[in-house]
Amino acid sequence: EVRLVQSGAEVRQPGATVKVSCSVSGYTFTAYYIHWVKLAPGKGLEWMGLVDPEDGETKYAEEFQGRVTINADTSTDTAYLELTSLRFEDTAIYYCTTWAYSGYQRDDYWGQGTQVTVS
Amino acid sequence: EIVLTQSPVTLSLSPGERATLSCRASQIFTTGFLAWFQQKPGLAPRLLIYGASARATGVPDRFSGSGSGTDFTLTISRVEPEDFAIYYCQHYVSSPYTFGQGTKLEIK
Repeated sequence: EVRLVQSGAEVRQPGATVKVSCSVSGYTFTAYYIHWVKLAPGKGLEWMGLVDPEDGETKYAEEFQGRVTINADTSTDTAYLELTSLRFEDTAIYYCTTWAYSGYQRDDYWGQGTQVTVS
Repeated sequence: EIVLTQSPVTLSLSPGERATLSCRASQIFTTGFLAWFQQKPGLAPRLLIYGASARATGVPDRFSGSGSGTDFTLTISRVEPEDFAIYYCQHYVSSPYTFGQGTKLEIK
């Protein structure tokens, strides 16, 4: 069974840094990218970026460039999202997700979400 | 960056009615790399459709996706009570993999 288990809720002050983890099990960690998605109150889903656990390559949405770091630790099968210089508008639920392909078929797996509150 | 525009913003229907949700892209897709998600409060998004028209595992066949180029559609043939939620399209042509702003399907 594929599982993505995220770290617990965090509260930070403006200007601080938060790091959220996503522990993966049930498949080969290096097989698929890990994406991070933001869901802010009253807003829509927002794709933040991804990491390729196989080689550490990352891609980020321009909105978060310079404040976000996504990485993957293959020794623990865990991906991380770090967001710096936190603002009130960073208050949101952050999800990790992986898109697992088998030929043309795609199956998505999501973490349970991590609430980050900036106040 | 590909911008996705969804319409309508809100769709008010009664159970049993047909729902048609639209997603328009700012650039032509040649690959059909368009997905649809359902979002309910307190839950992670759920993949419904990928490749513009392929149903994800376990998704009821009342959900269908269609379209190509710049115009894509999610159709729910007969809306069930559990279908009232927010629906998002997302492309996965190339980074950034942007979402549309969402369509809220609400009970009329």
